[in-house]
Amino acid sequence: DVKVTQSSRYLVKRTGEKVFLECVQDMDHENMFWYRQDPGLGLRLIYFSYDVKMKEKGDIPEGYSVSREKKERFSLILESASTNQTSMYLCASSPRRGDIQYFGAGTRLSVL
Amino acid sequence: QKEVEQDPGPLSVPEGAIVSLNCTYSNSAFQYFMWYRQYSRKGPELLMYTYSSGNKEDGRFTAQVDKSSKYISLFIRDSQPSDSATYLCAMSGGTSYGKLTFGQGTILTVHP
Repeated sequence: DVKVTQSSRYLVKRTGEKVFLECVQDMDHENMFWYRQDPGLGLRLIYFSYDVKMKEKGDIPEGYSVSREKKERFSLILESASTNQTSMYLCASSPRRGDIQYFGAGTRLSVL
Repeated sequence: QKEVEQDPGPLSVPEGAIVSLNCTYSNSAFQYFMWYRQYSRKGPELLMYTYSSGNKEDGRFTAQVDKSSKYISLFIRDSQPSDSATYLCAMSGGTSYGKLTFGQGTILTVHP
């Protein structure tokens, strides 16, 4: 079974803090993705990566950055957290472009 | 106009009912179509995957794709309370190859 593990299920942070969300997959997948999910807005793609050290902007990259130093790990960074970044964050991986994506359980982030 | 439109519901049905979930899309290049199920406070999990037009059946679930109408459906027969979840359609292909485009999700409740 594919396993995508997100380091935290729930996080509470203060405005202005730097926040790291970590994601690890165990299936040697080339492609990894970060989404946020908000009621009424569905899943929105923040960033994705097709290979180590590569990153591509998704639909809503503003206020976020990513890091992929190893194939199995993809980190999402909120440089200075703001209240409008309170959301559910989902990490996913897939073996090939355009193929099925496998999701982690999500991190529910609250920024106060 | 969104690339993928999905009625958010909520949809409430009695146990045993046939459920029909639908998505329409505007990008004629989409050729990979998926349905994900997401339980409350969990990540999405793949339910059905189809390529191009046609039907695919898996137990109580049937996925239909009509590319000429740009319309996909998921049917659930003999619905169960355990089917209560949010259902997300997703698709990829053409210039969006590599990324999935998601519908907003439909919230389904099956009551005993």
